[in-house]
Amino acid sequence: GQQVMQIPQYQHVQEGEDFTTYCNSSTTLSNIQWYKQRPGGHPVFLIQLVKSGEVKKQKRLTFQFGEAKKNSSLHITATQTTDVGTYFCAGYLGNEKLTFGTGTRLTIIP
Amino acid sequence: EAQVTQNPRYLITVTGKKLTVTCSQNMNHEYMSWYRQDPGLGLRQIYYSMNVEVTDKGDVPEGYKVSRKEKRNFPLILESPSPNQTSLYFCASSPSLGDSTDTQYFGPGTRLTVL
Repeated sequence: GQQVMQIPQYQHVQEGEDFTTYCNSSTTLSNIQWYKQRPGGHPVFLIQLVKSGEVKKQKRLTFQFGEAKKNSSLHITATQTTDVGTYFCAGYLGNEKLTFGTGTRLTIIP
Repeated sequence: EAQVTQNPRYLITVTGKKLTVTCSQNMNHEYMSWYRQDPGLGLRQIYYSMNVEVTDKGDVPEGYKVSRKEKRNFPLILESPSPNQTSLYFCASSPSLGDSTDTQYFGPGTRLTVL
């Protein structure tokens, strides 16, 4: 079954509000990647986290990797309409397969 | 321009009619992979290839075949498509696998409908 879960599945926020999606794995991840898929588009790589407890920022986006390397989060501050899309986490479960999470679809209410 | 291309982008077919979705990358990447995307299930890996002539099953390989005769091409073959293979398919490539700098580059997607 799905070994990398994301919550929530859907999130509707007012423009300007913050947004967070959480990624949880049943096993330890060697690293984790985050992707964004715009409506009608294909997944595009955002960032990769490798170290336990790592935090990285990209403008209004903050990515965290848990201490146990089993969970991760993506936080967007003050959302804008350009943030619309589905956000996926993806992790290497110690083998050569990259397992994607179920995704969180973000919609923005102007 | 560095890219992954897929063809066709859209396809409507009937049950049992063999089809091939092509995938090509111009970045000299070693690793290539096929995913299907279904609502609520995210991206699930069908097959992947670490290099030429090296392929392996992903999470949902049933009903699919692949080949990797050349580094740049990784076609997905459905010998006898069924309606449960109606989905959005993505091909992806990366320089290698597991390296901390490697990311996956996705093609534009192929929307397949099997009637």
